[in-house]
Amino acid sequence: GQQLNQSPQSMFIQEGEDVSMNCTSSSIFNTWLWYKQEPGEGPVLLIALYKAGELTSNGRLTAQFGITRKDSFLNISASIPSDVGIYFCAGQGNTGNQFYFGTGTSLTVIP
Amino acid sequence: DVKVTQSSRYLVKRTGEKVFLECVQDMDHENMFWYRQDPGLGLRLIYFSYDVKMKEKGDIPEGYSVSREKKERFSLILESASTNQTSMYLCASTPSLVSVAFFGQGTRLTVV
Repeated sequence: GQQLNQSPQSMFIQEGEDVSMNCTSSSIFNTWLWYKQEPGEGPVLLIALYKAGELTSNGRLTAQFGITRKDSFLNISASIPSDVGIYFCAGQGNTGNQFYFGTGTSLTVIP
Repeated sequence: DVKVTQSSRYLVKRTGEKVFLECVQDMDHENMFWYRQDPGLGLRLIYFSYDVKMKEKGDIPEGYSVSREKKERFSLILESASTNQTSMYLCASTPSLVSVAFFGQGTRLTVV
């Protein structure tokens, strides 16, 4: 099955810094989703994007649906310790209900 | 709020045992999914279901089967558990027209 390329794999940052991560695909998607997963828990939806070029915010998080429909970006501004976790992107094409997931970006915030 | 509940958080089973992982959602969603999550491999789709008694193979169905007798419940079955099935298992559901997947809290299965 298709897997999305997500980068970076891991990040170690100081509290207060901004974070950027991205996800790319060889296929066009109609939907991009961003999830956060904390240790021992299931992924929790952060942001959903439905249109190319769309820019959506959720608090300090901002995500964009790339114009080519083959990529998406997530930014976290002014990071805090509770931002720690693994961030996953997910994409859905027009061939069915299946989602494809990135391998995740592990974020560590150093106080 | 949508709630997807998996029956166990942690499970330890012996090689060769038949294992049932249960998932229940309370929002009348049409679609339900089972994934396994392994370090460096992300989430891989095992099986999904569009409707009661309907099932489709995902990317890694070997060694697994599923059952969906009621709309709210989707069960993953390991017919004869093996150590390479030690993993985190995640259930998800989506409504039919809106493409957002809601996940359960996960079941960490260890096969010894």
